[in-house]
Amino acid sequence: DAKTTQPTSMDCAEGRAANLPCNHSTISGNEYVYWYRQIHSQGPQYIIHGLKNNETNEMASLIITEDRKSSTLILPHATLRDTAVYYCIVRVAWGAQKLVFGQGTRLTINP
Amino acid sequence: NAGVMQNPRHLVRRRGQEARLRCSPMKGHSHVYWYRQLPEEGLKFMVYLQKENIIDESGMPKERFSAEFPKEGPSILRIQQVVRGDSAAYFCASSPLESSYNEQFFGPGTRLTVL
Repeated sequence: DAKTTQPTSMDCAEGRAANLPCNHSTISGNEYVYWYRQIHSQGPQYIIHGLKNNETNEMASLIITEDRKSSTLILPHATLRDTAVYYCIVRVAWGAQKLVFGQGTRLTINP
Repeated sequence: NAGVMQNPRHLVRRRGQEARLRCSPMKGHSHVYWYRQLPEEGLKFMVYLQKENIIDESGMPKERFSAEFPKEGPSILRIQQVVRGDSAAYFCASSPLESSYNEQFFGPGTRLTVL
């Protein structure tokens, strides 16, 4: 699986959009970008994934650059409950495989 | 549909004792994964199982650790002769057989403390 690089920490004001970047310059053609988050002491939670098109669901939006070497997770209206560590993971979609977690980005939403 | 269940949520053991951690996957899920999170560290993959089979145990320590996922009942992660370094949060995740995207659903974790 391709390696990802994320900022160690970020801050965002409550109600604002939180934009979390991820670099994955060695991503290959059959690898997807997945985002998970871990709220303090809880199990990780799936957020969204995508291949090359932008994706949106009820939790977030995922913007993937045209060359697929980087992506941005967008939480449109951050709340205090979005404070968590966010993990960007690159891996093939088909087949059951382990998730390789990096250090992630510790996002703090401030009131 | 209940989520992934893990028990106990907290487990305290003395050095040298055995720890048994249980994971009940979501209904209809036949893939189970175990991950470990040491204090102030990231999540590390340990083992991946399907019913009655270990598929990938590349993250399992070579000694004292074992895992099973029997045909009936929960998956068990067993740690023999625990040491203080085994203190960590152990998370189980499951995914369905036919998932196109292999989204993994995580349980709340078991926090093991070794005295």
